[in-house]
Amino acid sequence: DAGVTQSPTHLIKTRGQQVTLRCSPKSGHDTVSWYQQALGQGPQFIFQYYEEEERQRGNFPDRFSGHQFPNYSSELNVNALLLGDSALYLCASNQGTGANVLTFGAGSRLTVL
Amino acid sequence: QKEVEQNSGPLSVPEGAIASLNCTYSDRGSQSFFWYRQYSGKSPELIMFIYSNGDKEDGRFTAQLNKASQYVSLLIRDSQPSDSATYLCAGGYNQGGKLIFGQGTELSVKP
Repeated sequence: DAGVTQSPTHLIKTRGQQVTLRCSPKSGHDTVSWYQQALGQGPQFIFQYYEEEERQRGNFPDRFSGHQFPNYSSELNVNALLLGDSALYLCASNQGTGANVLTFGAGSRLTVL
Repeated sequence: QKEVEQNSGPLSVPEGAIASLNCTYSDRGSQSFFWYRQYSGKSPELIMFIYSNGDKEDGRFTAQLNKASQYVSLLIRDSQPSDSATYLCAGGYNQGGKLIFGQGTELSVKP
C-alpha cells in the first residue's frame, strides 16, 4: 500500500521563477493538505484540498496556489519565488475533512537562489 | 504569542531514562493534539494523538492533555538512542486537516 508520494524530491530555482510540486495521496485518502517547513521550524499549514476545491487556507500570499485532480492527487504552485520560499514542502493526506490524522509524504526540498 | 509553543531544546537524556516533552497552546478551539517525530531530513511521522483530558499510553509513549491548563506533554520511557529526533506537537480542529505545529523540540538520547 503506497503512502503519500511527492515529486520532485529536490529542486533549485532562482528568484522570480515559478515552481510546481506534485503529490499523490495515500490509497483510500481523498483530502490533501500542503505544509511549508523552514529549517529549524515546525510545518506551517498552506492549504487543504477536498473534492477538487480549496477548503481551508493558512496565512500565505496568493503566490501560493494549488489544485486537486479527480484522482485526488494535488499540485502546489508558487509564483514569483522569493529567497524566503526556500523550505521543505510537505504534502499530507487523510480521509474526509473531519479527520486530523495526517500521513505525510517525504517532502520536496526547494532551494531558491 | 505563538499558537503552539514547545519547550526549547535540545533536550539530552541518558539511555533508559524518561524523556519529557512539553507543549502549550493558546487557542481553546483546538480539539485534538498530535505528537509527531521527525528524523533529520525526513518527514514527520505520527507517534500518537489525544483528544480527551488525561493520559493515553501506547507502548513506551504516554501523552498527557490538560485542557484547563492548555498543556500537552509526551513522556518517553526507557529512552533509546533511536528515539533521538525532533518531536513536533500540533493542535487540530474539528474541521480536520489543518494542524498548527510548534517549533519542535530536539531530543538526544545518549548511550
